[in-house]
Amino acid sequence: ETGVTQSPTHLIKTRGQQVTLRCSSQSGHNTVSWYQQALGQGPQFIFQYYREEENGRGNFPPRFSGLQFPNYSSELNVNALELDDSALYLCASSLGSGRSYEQYFGPGTRLTVT
Amino acid sequence: QQQVKQSPQSLIVQKGGIPIINCAYENTAFDYFPWYQQFPGKGPALLIAIRPDVSEKKEGRFTISFNKSAKQFSLHIMDSQPGDSATYFCAAQTGANNLFFGTGTRLTVIP
Repeated sequence: ETGVTQSPTHLIKTRGQQVTLRCSSQSGHNTVSWYQQALGQGPQFIFQYYREEENGRGNFPPRFSGLQFPNYSSELNVNALELDDSALYLCASSLGSGRSYEQYFGPGTRLTVT
Repeated sequence: QQQVKQSPQSLIVQKGGIPIINCAYENTAFDYFPWYQQFPGKGPALLIAIRPDVSEKKEGRFTISFNKSAKQFSLHIMDSQPGDSATYFCAAQTGANNLFFGTGTRLTVIP
């Protein structure tokens, strides 16, 4: 069974640029959730995708957007990067649809905005 | 507003000790309470989880105690080892939706 994978591992961007982060869900999982973890803090929910549809969103501005593909992999896009966007971005996959609550996290992408 | 409050912020114990991490919540709609372990530079790893119809769950050296009336739950690590040194997060969830995390507890186990 393949776990959750994310790419890239690290990324450095300049303020105002755009970034795309990628996530492959665990085999058999159809739900992907994205979280932002600032240094020394707990992860904060950005949004969730279930069967290619957004299925809930946290308190993040519209410049944070996402996609889920037919194979259930997912992308997180952030436009107009700000310094405060520097964080570890985590994706988590789960079975969704009320069948199982467990969310399994990938290793994360460390984004630094300068 | 922090949906899940966690304490202490940091904890230092001797090898073999029993660190206890506490969490509290307000939203009675939460029906799933997992604990995650995170090592530096890694993603959180699911450790153990409990539902509110159970007062205690044990897996290996890790035990969750759950007090539904007080809206509190805690993690106990029996016979702690230096390899348990990590940051621990409690979380709460409603259905198969998003997780609300606590602020984390940095545990150090001294050999």
